[in-house]
Amino acid sequence: QVQLVQSGAEVKKPGASVKVSCKASGYTFTGYYMHWVRQAPGQGLEWMGWINPNSGGTNYAQKFQGRVTMTRDTSISTAYMELSRLRSDDTAVYYCARPWGGIAVAGIGGYWGQGTLVTVSS
Amino acid sequence: QSALTQPASVSGSPGQSITISCTGTSSDVGSYNLVSWYQQHPGKAPKLMIYEVSKRPSGVSNRFSGSKSGNTASLTISGLQAEDEADYYCCSYAGSSRVVFGGGTKLTVL
Repeated sequence: QVQLVQSGAEVKKPGASVKVSCKASGYTFTGYYMHWVRQAPGQGLEWMGWINPNSGGTNYAQKFQGRVTMTRDTSISTAYMELSRLRSDDTAVYYCARPWGGIAVAGIGGYWGQGTLVTVSS
Repeated sequence: QSALTQPASVSGSPGQSITISCTGTSSDVGSYNLVSWYQQHPGKAPKLMIYEVSKRPSGVSNRFSGSKSGNTASLTISGLQAEDEADYYCCSYAGSSRVVFGGGTKLTVL
């Protein structure tokens, strides 16, 4: 069965960076894009971008351009999302999500990680 | 890229049907049949309920259905049950490899 297991909660100071991992199992890692979505406390879902694990190609939401970097390590079926120059309003739960089927942007959240809480506080 | 527009809240009694709307533009919802819907219970990860406007993933009840007309997509839940009480989000492809979510709708089962 498809599983996405994310790294644990993080506490960071403003201006620092955070790197969240998402280990995939139960399917061919390079066969499906991986999206990253975040949710601030009490707020809605916000799409951050995707990575194509096969090619390493990425596409980021304009809001995060220049601050986010998505990478992958195919040898361990793991995707990463690094967000730099953290601010207090980056406090959120960060999710990785795999599309349901073969269309990268259709049903982007067919499978979800458990979420990683990133708290930014001085 | 602006978020898709959803009503903040909807409610219904057990057994009734409700519909949640999701209004976008001709650049996203109106241009692609790539609208999906997610259910999220408090403290849990979202769950895919509908993809490609009207398709249901395996395991999702047929009480959930989706449709689209112009720039507005809709999620209908029939035979409301207490367990349907949750937040619901729509999502659409917006061109140029971008994706956008709606602001979310809180469903209350009375």
